[in-house]
Amino acid sequence: DAGVTQSPTHLIKTRGQQVTLRCSPKSGHDTVSWYQQALGQGPQFIFQYYEEEERQRGNFPDRFSGHQFPNYSSELNVNALLLGDSALYLCASSLAEGQGAYEQYFGPGTRLTVT
Amino acid sequence: AQKVTQAQTEISVVEKEDVTLDCVYETRDTTYYLFWYKQPPSGELVFLIRRNSFDEQNEISGRYSWNFQKSTSSFNFTITASQVVDSAVYFCALTTNSGGYQKVTFGIGTKLQVIP
Repeated sequence: DAGVTQSPTHLIKTRGQQVTLRCSPKSGHDTVSWYQQALGQGPQFIFQYYEEEERQRGNFPDRFSGHQFPNYSSELNVNALLLGDSALYLCASSLAEGQGAYEQYFGPGTRLTVT
Repeated sequence: AQKVTQAQTEISVVEKEDVTLDCVYETRDTTYYLFWYKQPPSGELVFLIRRNSFDEQNEISGRYSWNFQKSTSSFNFTITASQVVDSAVYFCALTTNSGGYQKVTFGIGTKLQVIP
């Protein structure tokens, strides 16, 4: 049973560039959430996707956008990168309903460094 | 607004000691879920436990135990007979579901160092 996978594991970008991060949810899960974790901080909720739609969003600018595909996998896109976007980006999958709903299983994360 | 406070940023204990990690939460919702996650140096968050707001039973899983008290809005985590492998950052998180939308809030984390 595959867990949550993310790619790439590490990424270095320059200010102003754009980046796309990818996530495949745990088998059987239909909901994907994205988090930004700055060094020494807790994960901050970016947004959540269910049925290919963004259903909830945290306090992040429009430079952060996403997408969910019919197979439930998801992408996180960040435009016009800033130095402050350097962080570990975590993807979590869960079930929207039923037993075990809200139990989020996290991937290993993508470490983004913006120079 | 909802909030999770983990007042202990770093704790050091000697192996085999017991340690309790504190978590205090705030929410206006009557239905909510509380979680604990472990984040080892590798970075991946590992799910430890989920508790819903209607279930105040304490839980024990091996050396881990959790004490949920709604009266004090606390959900504390105790590791008995700590081991070096317990060294990690531990996060407490709160999830509410309002109008079909989940809102997840994490605490800042408690870094636990178990010294051999």
